[in-house]
Amino acid sequence: EPEVTQTPSHQVTQMGQEVILRCVPISNHLYFYWYRQILGQKVEFLVSFYNNEISEKSEIFDDQFSVERPDGSNFTLKIRSTKLEDSAMYFCASAAEGLPGFFGPGTRLTVL
Amino acid sequence: AQKITQTQPGMFVQEKEAVTLDCTYDTSDPSYGLFWYKQPSSGEMIFLIYQGSYDQQNATEGRYSLNFQKARKSANLVISASQLGDSAMYFCAMREGTQGGSEKLVFGKGTKLTVNP
Repeated sequence: EPEVTQTPSHQVTQMGQEVILRCVPISNHLYFYWYRQILGQKVEFLVSFYNNEISEKSEIFDDQFSVERPDGSNFTLKIRSTKLEDSAMYFCASAAEGLPGFFGPGTRLTVL
Repeated sequence: AQKITQTQPGMFVQEKEAVTLDCTYDTSDPSYGLFWYKQPSSGEMIFLIYQGSYDQQNATEGRYSLNFQKARKSANLVISASQLGDSAMYFCAMREGTQGGSEKLVFGKGTKLTVNP
């Protein structure tokens, strides 16, 4: 069964450093998303991406965040200068037209 | 205002019994979708079941069924014949807007289900 994959599973970084979280969506999906979940809290939408551009973003997704689909298969989330409060589980999801999103296993980001 | 409300922070159920996890939602959009996801302790989000606002029948997927009461704006998840492996966090989520497009999901705070042997 096709699945969304994410790497790394756990990333530890120093405050102020840049991180790139990587996702490989399901191959025939057209819609891509990033969500985050701070420990013990609910899952929050960050950004959606369709047709090589951002279609919607939340207030969390400020100028420190960017997304890219560099090669037609990977979908990346970059945080330019990490802050302590960026520590969370980051989920990538992809969806086909009109169907529920499938989530990846997540990347746990720890900012020290 | 909360768009998705899950009022049960924690629920306990005996193995082999059925359990209902509550979810109410708030939207003025006539077209929306409701989802349930399971999050075990390992952290991944597992899609369980989906209900569209125009679906006439309640969704079912194996041991999972969604008790959709549109007038009450509730979309409760029913798990029949609970198993130990059902112990996890359960999140209700809503997608507003027409099918297709890049509608985001809005999640509730979750319910932690514990299945006792």
